Amino acid sequence: AQRVTQPEKLLSVFKGAPVELKCNYSYSGSPELFWYVQYSRQRLQLLLRHISRESIKGFTADLNKGETSFHLKKPFAQEEDSAMYYCARPHPGGYNKLIFGAGTRLAVHP
Amino acid sequence: KAGVTQTPRYLIKTRGQQVTLSCSPISGHRSVSWYQQTPGQGLQFLFEYFSETQRNKGNFPGRFSGRQFSNSRSEMNVSTLELGDSALYLCASSLRGTGEETQYFGPGTRLLVL
Repeated sequence: AQRVTQPEKLLSVFKGAPVELKCNYSYSGSPELFWYVQYSRQRLQLLLRHISRESIKGFTADLNKGETSFHLKKPFAQEEDSAMYYCARPHPGGYNKLIFGAGTRLAVHP
Repeated sequence: KAGVTQTPRYLIKTRGQQVTLSCSPISGHRSVSWYQQTPGQGLQFLFEYFSETQRNKGNFPGRFSGRQFSNSRSEMNVSTLELGDSALYLCASSLRGTGEETQYFGPGTRLLVL
């Protein structure tokens, strides 16, 4: 079965600390991978995606095919980064069928 | 551009009833996907429509159905509601639904089944 695994339900850090949210995926070809974020009382929105290799709000994510990982990183966390983060990939069958991880809640404390 | 809209935003139903949820995609987007979000199961794919055709379906019982209209608006229907159907139902749209596109999500419809 195609899986996306986010091992941490909650990640709690202090403002200014580095952050790494883990994501592992089951291998199937060369995947596209996404990080979606859901801030409190806001809709789910794309944070970044592998194919564009952008840095959004200071976050980056590198695809490691050997470890089948796509961890999300930020060197200095801000309080406004507190949110639910979901790693996702398209189902290999194609079309808009996203497989989501269980999500990690990031809490950044002052 | 206006974002994805969903109506109604909140709904309370009782077991055995049926419900219809509506989703209007971003203008020009032809693919609409539906997801169920619950604390226990997280985000699970329900189905995806493109040009009025269902192209993909998740592992949900036949009580869950949907359709898409010629203007790309989509509806999903849940018949014979069960307590476990209480969830946030999200729809998402994209241009062509290739799987590699960004999906834009609506605010969701929160369904409570009593």
